[in-house]
This record gives sequence, C-alpha cells and structure tokens, in this order.
Amino acid sequence: ETGVTQSPTHLIKTRGQQVTLRCSSQSGHNTVSWYQQALGQGPQFIFQYYREEENGRGNFPPRFSGLQFPNYSSELNVNALELDDSALYLCASSSVEPTDTQYFGPGTRLTVL
Amino acid sequence: DAKTTQPNSMESNEEEPVHLPCNHSTISGTDYIHWYRQLPSQGPEYVIHGLTSNVNNRMASLAIAEDRKSSTLILHRATLRDAAVYYCILRKGSSNTGKLIFGQGTTLQVKP
Repeated sequence: ETGVTQSPTHLIKTRGQQVTLRCSSQSGHNTVSWYQQALGQGPQFIFQYYREEENGRGNFPPRFSGLQFPNYSSELNVNALELDDSALYLCASSSVEPTDTQYFGPGTRLTVL
Repeated sequence: DAKTTQPNSMESNEEEPVHLPCNHSTISGTDYIHWYRQLPSQGPEYVIHGLTSNVNNRMASLAIAEDRKSSTLILHRATLRDAAVYYCILRKGSSNTGKLIFGQGTTLQVKP
C-alpha cells in the first residue's frame, strides 16, 4: 500500500508569484486535507476536499485554492505569494468518511523570497 | 472550537514509561480526543484516539479522566525513536469535516 506522497519536496518562489503543490492520497482514500505549518508552530487547517468537492475551510484568504481530481489526488494553489506564506505545506488523506484518521505526507517546504 | 493545553516540553529516559498530559476543560460531549505526533522532518503521524473510555493500541495507551477534562498519553517504554512533538487534539464528532486543530504540542526528548 502506497502512502501519501507530495511534490515537489522543496520550492523557492518570489513574492507575487503563484505556486501549485501536489498530493497523491493513500490508495483507497477519498478525502484530502491541506495544512500549513510555519516554523515552530503546529499545522493549521487550510481546507479539505471530499469526493472532488470542498468540504470545509480554515481561516485562509481566497488566494489559497484547491482541486481534487477523480483519482482523489489533489492540488493546492496559492496566488500572489507573500513572505508569510513560507512554510511547510502538509497534505493528509483519509478513507471513507472525512472524519476518519488522517494520514499525512512528508510535506512541501515553500520558501518565498 | 475547544482548546487543549499541553506542557511545552518533557524529558524521559530510554526504556522508561512516559506520561504526556493534556488539559481540555472546555471539551463538549461529542468531542473525540486525538493524539498525533510529528517526528523531525516528517508529517504528523496518528497515535491514538478515544471518546470516554481508556484505549490501548500497539503504539500507546490513552487514559481519559472521568469528567473528560483531561487525558494522558502513555508510552509504556520510550525509545529514541519516540522523540517527537506530541499533539493533543479535540475533534468534533458532530462535524463532517474532520479538520484537526493543532496547538503547540509537547516536545518529548528521550535520553539514552
């Protein structure tokens, strides 16, 4: 069974640019959640996708958007990057119901200069 | 959302039991208590969860106070691999999003 994978591992962007991060969910999982983790902090919930629909959103501006594809993989898009967007972006997948245990990927480290 | 309070850091010796406390005085009746841990340079990893009764699995035990206002994660024999940040999280049983609200967590150091 393949675990949650994320790409790329690291990314460097400049302020104002746009970025797309990708996540492949664990086999059989239909729900993907995205989290932002600033250095030294706990992860913060961005949003969740369940069967290709957004199913809950945290306190993040609209320039954070996402997609879930028919194979349940997902993308996180961030427009107009700001310096404070520098963080580890984590993706987690869960099976069957959105409230089931979440399995996290290793994350994408985004640096905004 | 109900809040949890954990000590910032704890130390343990290898092969000794570790008791990680968590206070959640504003917990509601449908909130589940979840524990995740995050090893260095990795994503969080599920450890255990419970509602009212104590729970055991291969990784740890979860002891829940009778009034549910506090809980304790118990690692029976700490190993060096258990050094991580441990997060105590309340998840609403009535919610269909399953979002996890992480606090600062407890950084556990395990000494050889």
